[in-house]
Order: sequence, then structure tokens, then C-alpha cells
Amino acid sequence: DTAVSQTPKYLVTQMGNDKSIKCEQNLGHDTMYWYKQDSKKFLKIMFSYNNKELIINETVPNRFSPKSPDKAHLNLHINSLELGDSAVYFCASSALGRSYEQYFGPGTRLTVT
Amino acid sequence: ILNVEQSPQSLHVQEGDSTNFTCSFPSSNFYALHWYRWETAKSPEALFVMTLNGDEKKKGRISATLNTKEGYSYLYIKGSQPEDSATYLCAPSLGTSYGKLTFGQGTILTVHP
Repeated sequence: DTAVSQTPKYLVTQMGNDKSIKCEQNLGHDTMYWYKQDSKKFLKIMFSYNNKELIINETVPNRFSPKSPDKAHLNLHINSLELGDSAVYFCASSALGRSYEQYFGPGTRLTVT
Repeated sequence: ILNVEQSPQSLHVQEGDSTNFTCSFPSSNFYALHWYRWETAKSPEALFVMTLNGDEKKKGRISATLNTKEGYSYLYIKGSQPEDSATYLCAPSLGTSYGKLTFGQGTILTVHP
């Protein structure tokens, strides 16, 4: 049973396209996150939702829009893709609170050509 | 910009060696310190979450300590095994944002048989 799943695992697309990455967790958590692994391999938080409410919104281009239809799902939509958006995107979930460990999905490798 | 530094950046040890690495972080507005283990081609997996100054946590051969006053944490691995080879990430939770973790760049551990 996969705890945090992401689809697709790989995504290759052209500049200017719009794409979405989906994330689902079956852990019963109420908080979900999107991270970007940058070119230097750092994991950087992008967004977090708690019970469908946005609670963390880092400095991210507004071409990136998260959507949480329910607390088990957090999708990431990216408009007008640019070369610099190429990265690995990780979804994670946890109980609400900073002392709760986060469970990560397998990552989605996005390549923009 | 929050400075989270991990040292060394990489480490090669022989099977059976004990090893340790350091995570340093700003000590102000500290709430929690997370350690994650990240194997190649997998996703980060939580090892420990520590919140109190002087906290020590242990899981099998791996243990961690926390000093919140001076802003550092040590991770120890006793009797390293090849399966311990991974990147070890620390991530403090600082400030008021729930669940927001600032990841260090990681220490890459390679254990040679």
C-alpha cells in the first residue's frame, strides 16, 4: 500500500505548455506539502495545505498553483512552463504541527524542453 | 534567508566504522529539528524529530542529539553497514509557519564493504 503517491513519475513537456502533477495520501493526514528539489539538490518548500486551506505559500512564481480538492489530495498545476521549471517535485504529508514527521512521495521528474 | 549547514558534505567509511555528522541552524525561533534519510532513487524517510534542548533519540544503530541553545544537532551511526549508505538531511522548523522545514544540503554517506 503506497502511503503517498504521485503521478506521473516522469513528465517531459515543451516550454509554454501547462501541466499538472497529482498527489494522494492514504495516511489520514490533514496537511500536505509540495517541495522542489533544485539544481543544487536542495529540497525547498513551495506550498502547504491543511484541510484544504493554504497555510504555507513560499515565493514561487504565480504560474504555479496548488489545488486541494480534499485533505487526501494536493495537486500542482504549472502554467506556461519554462526551462527553469525542470526539477524533481516531491509531495509530502503529515499531521498538523512542526514536530510531526513528513512522509514523502516518490517524486515527479519534470523536464521542460 | 535561514542558514542550515551540514558537515561534512560527503563521507566515505568502511563497514563497521562508527561515524557522525553535524547539522547547524539558527537558534532563534527554534521549534523542532527533523532528520531524514534519503536513499538513491527513493524518497526521504523520517528518522527523528526532536524538539527539546538536550534531546537524544535512538533507532537501532542510529542516534541523534540536539542543542537548541547553540543551534546544532549530531547524528551518529554505530557500526556502519553498506545499507546505511544514503544522504542524511536535517531540517529545522523555525519561526511560526506550521510544518515549514528548511532543509540542509545533506551529508552523503558511503559505507564500503
